[in-house]
Amino acid sequence: TQLLEQSPQFLSIQEGENLTVYCNSSSVFSSLQWYRQEPGEGPVLLVTVVTGGEVKKLKRLTFQFGDARKDSSLHITAAQPGDTGLYLCAGEDNYGQNFVFGPGTRLSVLP
Amino acid sequence: GAVVSQHPSRVICKSGTSVKIECRSLDFQATTMFWYRQFPKQSLMLMATSNEGSKATYEQGVEKDKFLINHASLTLSTLTVTSAHPEDSSFYICSALDREGTEAFFGQGTRLTVV
Repeated sequence: TQLLEQSPQFLSIQEGENLTVYCNSSSVFSSLQWYRQEPGEGPVLLVTVVTGGEVKKLKRLTFQFGDARKDSSLHITAAQPGDTGLYLCAGEDNYGQNFVFGPGTRLSVLP
Repeated sequence: GAVVSQHPSRVICKSGTSVKIECRSLDFQATTMFWYRQFPKQSLMLMATSNEGSKATYEQGVEKDKFLINHASLTLSTLTVTSAHPEDSSFYICSALDREGTEAFFGQGTRLTVV
């Protein structure tokens, strides 16, 4: 069974700080997705990374897929209160049949 | 942290049969649970919002008679795919909202294959 771990589980920071969230596994994934979910709403897809070593940027968010496609990171620069939410990573197995979700990182950005 | 358990993780069924998927909040009570469907390489698609003790609210385009949702207790919601067809094959995932209605916790998902 493929498992995804996320760290930290909880993170509370001040506005303007930088942060990195990690998504790790001992398994290889053909692709990995990052979602953000705001309180009381459904998750929203932020990015999909496919190639090992790939880096994608979305405004102040930088996503990286590990060279071995077993891990990924999300870096947020100059965090804002609007970044508050649950960040989920989800990995697609190499057969394209199954998505594995991590437990999520709960981020709180205080003004 | 709060745990949501979804069962089964994988199921294969024959066309025409019904399949029940369970979503349980193990250490908290959830008045609201969400059911999602995900097609390969696509994002999660909200199917319905399940409220304890009342009828589920279905999203547009989701057949309520085909996807039966029951939320009989504060810790259990079930999704039954009735008269399953191959096109129902998909990944189904639930999430449970805490009682404050501010945090949602995801189940592990169920891979349904209809043959």
